[in-house]
Amino acid sequence: GEDVEQSLFLSVREGDSSVINCTYTDSSSTYLYWYKQEPGAGLQLLTYIFSNMDMKQDQRLTVLLNKKDKHLSLRIADTQTGDSAIYFCAESDQAGTALIFGKGTTLSVSS
Amino acid sequence: DAGVTQSPTHLIKTRGQQVTLRCSPKSGHDTVSWYQQALGQGPQFIFQYYEEEERQRGNFPDRFSGHQFPNYSSELNVNALLLGDSALYLCASSRRGQTNTEAFFGQGTRLTVV
Repeated sequence: GEDVEQSLFLSVREGDSSVINCTYTDSSSTYLYWYKQEPGAGLQLLTYIFSNMDMKQDQRLTVLLNKKDKHLSLRIADTQTGDSAIYFCAESDQAGTALIFGKGTTLSVSS
Repeated sequence: DAGVTQSPTHLIKTRGQQVTLRCSPKSGHDTVSWYQQALGQGPQFIFQYYEEEERQRGNFPDRFSGHQFPNYSSELNVNALLLGDSALYLCASSRRGQTNTEAFFGQGTRLTVV
């Protein structure tokens, strides 16, 4: 079945780049997603990438997709303390209905 | 636009009791999905409602049931609560036929079962 794996923790200093990695199993997923969750809050869609793309850039965010290895990464340039949160990688299920989430990567940014 | 609203924000229930959580979708959305997020885990899909019917269900027991009303709002009911049902319950709304790129999540309801 579908499964999404992520590293659990990442700690960086303010101003550095952060790279959060994810592997997924369902190669039929049309889109792959990155969500952000701040303490006590719901999920915010940060960005997504269409499966036929290798890279997508959106301001400080860069998403890289390696379909052959089923590997997705999110790079945050010039990381700020306000970027401290849990980041979830997600794919769609085979029906394209449900989102399948990883366990989340906790990003801690120190000043 | 108020976005997706969920109520209540927090509640505490006792084992064996029943609970009802509510979700109002974003304006213009007609599809509601429910997710359970246990502590330290990613959200897990419970089910999705469209046109007042359950359209797809995740791997959850029958104790979890739902309803969608003609105004597209939805309820999640959980019977015979277990300690393991303690979690953040998230509602997401979208428009039928759209991908999840257009789905919006509410802030969630934090359920604690004691």
